[in-house]
Amino acid sequence: QVQLRESGPGLLKPSETLSLTCTVSGASVTSGNFYWYWIRQPPGKGLEWVGYIYYSGSTKYNPSLKSRVTISLDTSKNQFSLKLRSVTAADTAVYYCARKGVMVAAPVDDWGQGTLVTVSS
Amino acid sequence: QIVVTQEPSFSVSPGGTVTLTCGLSAGSVSTTHYPSWYQQTPGQAPRTLIFNTNTRSSGVPDRFSGSILGNKAALTITGAQADDEADYHCMLSMGSGIWVFGEGTKLTVL
Repeated sequence: QVQLRESGPGLLKPSETLSLTCTVSGASVTSGNFYWYWIRQPPGKGLEWVGYIYYSGSTKYNPSLKSRVTISLDTSKNQFSLKLRSVTAADTAVYYCARKGVMVAAPVDDWGQGTLVTVSS
Repeated sequence: QIVVTQEPSFSVSPGGTVTLTCGLSAGSVSTTHYPSWYQQTPGQAPRTLIFNTNTRSSGVPDRFSGSILGNKAALTITGAQADDEADYHCMLSMGSGIWVFGEGTKLTVL
């Protein structure tokens, strides 16, 4: 049973950098069968795809966030991380880490519980 | 910028049938967008219902079905139950590894 757990600061000030880590158990982030995703959800709104990383280190980001986002892997800790620079109130959201199969038709089939990040002065 | 459209809200009577849709602000949704559907109840992470247009995820009751209807992806719930009351999100592939979610539909069962 794969489990994903997000961790990181829950409160940031505008212009700071959001840093979240997803710890994976029951699976390896070095598996070539999956992409490791970040998805966020502003309060009361829909889901937004942030981006993903593959075991090789290749990444893909939401074009609207691309200039501020970095997703990275730490294979020694079986973790992957999200950094979002220069945050504003619009970045306030529940951030989910998740896993998706590499086949384009595959679903996002395992999700973390989510962590709320609030940006406020 | 292409926007994925969903009905903001919908209601269905217990035992009834409802079809939620997922469209594009420009163009039509097809199987090449590999539509998937996720159910989310308050305070919970989303749960996968349907992927690859019409494939049910493991453990999902067969009252949930996916399809392409006209120029949109569709999620049909047949014989709605009280615990189907939730938010439903669709996700589409835009190609080149880019994915987009719709804004979600809040389904009320009453």
